[in-house]
Amino acid sequence: GAVVSQHPSRVICKSGTSVKIECRSLDFQATTMFWYRQFPKQSLMLMATSNEGSKATYEQGVEKDKFLINHASLTLSTLTVTSAHPEDSSFYICSASIPGLANPDTQYFGPGTRLTVL
Amino acid sequence: GDSVTQMEGPVTLSEEACLTINCTYTATGYPSLFWYVQYPGEGLQLLLKATKADDKGSNKGFEATYRKETTSFHLEKGSVQVSDSAVYFCALSHTGFQKLVFGTGTRLLVSP
Repeated sequence: GAVVSQHPSRVICKSGTSVKIECRSLDFQATTMFWYRQFPKQSLMLMATSNEGSKATYEQGVEKDKFLINHASLTLSTLTVTSAHPEDSSFYICSASIPGLANPDTQYFGPGTRLTVL
Repeated sequence: GDSVTQMEGPVTLSEEACLTINCTYTATGYPSLFWYVQYPGEGLQLLLKATKADDKGSNKGFEATYRKETTSFHLEKGSVQVSDSAVYFCALSHTGFQKLVFGTGTRLLVSP
């Protein structure tokens, strides 16, 4: 099946710094990628939908200036948490869709990135 | 808005025991329903799905039936194995839309 990777798998940073998380589709081109976050004992919440070559669409309540998403190529999307604070500590997961088949059946998920902000 | 409610975990079972993980949903219209599984260190994988009322999704010995009257999609397996230890997520999506709405996930621990 299709493989999606995320890097890094874990990151610890100091408050006020920015952190970039990469999401790559390894064996297919993804026109659409999704970014989720998960707090302990809570569900995955969609943060934004990223389409290659255009601006991301953010879900209500998600600060676009804080969570910068770039989808510059068909195999790479990045999420940058700017000026991170302890409340941004979470598990961030991306998924990617196969072009032309963008439905939940064909969303392939990365293993996630655990961000801890001290 | 749409929402999915799952039973809290962890669910701890011995090998060969029967499994049921409850899932109920609230949604407008007739969503498609999914179960995803996340093994340690891996990404979520689609386990099974059902797209209309009374459909039964099945895979790897797991099954779930779309019950419109009770708005439920409970996950069942007759005999679990240690390798089934993972986190299971129930989710829904509306036809033609990519957005998934997830439950909180239920951790299953199966001991030998």
